[in-house]
Amino acid sequence: NAGVTQTPKFRILKIGQSMTLQCTQDMNHNYMYWYRQDPGMGLKLIYYSVGAGITDKGEVPNGYNVSRSTTEDFPLRLELAAPSQTSVYFCASGGSGYEQYFGPGTRLTVT
Amino acid sequence: GESVGLHLPTLSVQEGDNSIINCAYSNSASDYFIWYKQESGKGPQFIIDIRSNMDKRQGQRVTVLLNKTVKHLSLQIAATQPGDSAVYFCAEIRFGNEKLTFGTGTRLTIIP
Repeated sequence: NAGVTQTPKFRILKIGQSMTLQCTQDMNHNYMYWYRQDPGMGLKLIYYSVGAGITDKGEVPNGYNVSRSTTEDFPLRLELAAPSQTSVYFCASGGSGYEQYFGPGTRLTVT
Repeated sequence: GESVGLHLPTLSVQEGDNSIINCAYSNSASDYFIWYKQESGKGPQFIIDIRSNMDKRQGQRVTVLLNKTVKHLSLQIAATQPGDSAVYFCAEIRFGNEKLTFGTGTRLTIIP
């Protein structure tokens, strides 16, 4: 199993541009999550999903959108990128237990 | 709001010594706690967990202690190795919530 994969690994955006961060898991997990991690800080939950077709806001959802059309995929969309969205983005998935499995992250810079 | 926090942001330990990383939590309704390890440039990796009805749980070279009276959680790493250098996060969850709340993290540096 590849686990949780994320693309791209790095991206530089100009202010106002849009992009989609991709996340795929092959563990057949129902739960998927998007976090952001600012330098020297912990992880903050952006959005999460408890199954295909179901998404909900986390702690810091403003400026982001998600969709969950399949169990495997949980893309995160940034519309009108702002410098405040410069961060490292982690996708995670979880099964019936409470452990979450994290992807390698996407480092995003908005200038 | 409720939060999970750490006492010390950095910790340096001599290789071979034991290390203790502490975490305070404020929500007495937390049901489950997890310790994660995050190496530089990587995503967090599960280390060990403990339910709120337990006081202690041991893994390979790691032990988690939970003191519900003072809402304190600790991670003990025995015989530290260079590969233990990382940032360690505690996280808490309430059953039925499916959302982890992470602390800020402690950077552990192992001195050769």
